[in-house]
Amino acid sequence: AQSVTQLGSHVSVSEGALVLLRCNYSSSVPPYLFWYVQYPNQGLQLLLKYTSAATLVKGINGFEAEFKKSETSFHLTKPSAHMSDAAEYFCAVSPNQAGTALIFGKGTTLSVSS
Amino acid sequence: DAGITQSPRHKVTETGTPVTLRCHQTENHRYMYWYRQDPGHGLRLIHYSYGVKDTDKGEVSDGYSVSRSKTEDFLLTLESATSSQTSVYFCAISESQSGYGYTFGSGTRLTVV
Repeated sequence: AQSVTQLGSHVSVSEGALVLLRCNYSSSVPPYLFWYVQYPNQGLQLLLKYTSAATLVKGINGFEAEFKKSETSFHLTKPSAHMSDAAEYFCAVSPNQAGTALIFGKGTTLSVSS
Repeated sequence: DAGITQSPRHKVTETGTPVTLRCHQTENHRYMYWYRQDPGHGLRLIHYSYGVKDTDKGEVSDGYSVSRSKTEDFLLTLESATSSQTSVYFCAISESQSGYGYTFGSGTRLTVV
């Protein structure tokens, strides 16, 4: 069965520091992978997605993620954190099979301090 | 989000009562989904629909039913609400099942007392 593991339920960084949110997946077929962001009291917004084209994917708000098949990882990074990046981040996998839906990780809350 | 609305946004209901949540889309997308979000669990799929009158169960479907009588509306019903169904419910839509990703509604916060 497909699954997603987000390492670290809470990550704290200082403003201007590197942001690294970790995601590992398991999938028996080549997956599609996604990162979503959720700001307080809002729905989820798509940050970026990997759909088997370039392995380095750039998203909105300066975020990017790299698909590494050998490590079954899809970590999310941003070179310099802003206060406005404080939110909850979800990694999700779509196994690209009929009759399936996105499977989400449990989420990582990012805190940014000044 | 533009193109998808959920109603109501907040609801408090009593244990044992039926509750219906509505998801409405204006994007004409084929696929619609209901998830629940709980601390420590992320988002878990309740039911989804792949067309009018075509629905299937997700990971946590017990105690829930759905209906889709037209493309734009996907209803989630809690047949007899329990305290364990206190949660935030999100509807999502997509053009396909995989590569496009989902567009989410703003959520319904349901409290069962």
